[in-house]
Amino acid sequence: QLQLQESGPGLVKPSETLSLTCSVSGGSISNSNYYWGWVRQPPGKGLEWIGETFYSGATYYNPSLKSRVTISEDTSNNRFSLKLSSVTAADTAVYYCARVFLSRTIDSWGQGTLVSVSS
Amino acid sequence: QSGLTQPPSASGSPGQSVTISCTGTSSDVGASTYVSWYQQYPGKAPKLMIYEVSKRPSGVPDRFSGSKSGNTASLTVSGLQADDEADYHCSSYVGTNNMIFGGGTKLTVL
Repeated sequence: QLQLQESGPGLVKPSETLSLTCSVSGGSISNSNYYWGWVRQPPGKGLEWIGETFYSGATYYNPSLKSRVTISEDTSNNRFSLKLSSVTAADTAVYYCARVFLSRTIDSWGQGTLVSVSS
Repeated sequence: QSGLTQPPSASGSPGQSVTISCTGTSSDVGASTYVSWYQQYPGKAPKLMIYEVSKRPSGVPDRFSGSKSGNTASLTVSGLQADDEADYHCSSYVGTNNMIFGGGTKLTVL
């Protein structure tokens, strides 16, 4: 049974960098059949795709966030990470990590973690 | 890239059918066979209900069905039940290694 678990600070100051890690169990992030990605959901709003990483090291980002986002893999520990720089209050959201089929179908989600941006 | 357009709300009585639309453009929904639908209960992670426009993952009741016409995808829930009350989100692959979501639709079972 695949499980994904987000971890990281729940509060980040404006202009700083948000950093989250997704630990994966029950499956390998080196599996070439999947991407590993991040999706966020501001309170009371819809979902927003942030980006994803592939076992080859390739990364793909939402164009609207691309200048501030870095997604990376740690295959030795079977986890992947998100960094979002220069955050503002608009980046306050529940952040989900996810397993993504090559067709960009998300079949597994983490439970989500709320990150608030506030001084 | 703009998000996909969904109605904010939809409703139906138990046993009825309801259809939720998801409208994009010829660059996303219109060009993609990779349209998905997710169900989300409050405070919970989304759950995949439909993928590749009309396919159902194992375990999803056949009361849920998906279709697409032109730039609009649709999710139909037949035989509405109380536990179908949730938010529903559509997504589409965009052929530049991107993905976009709709704004979500709150389905109320009256």
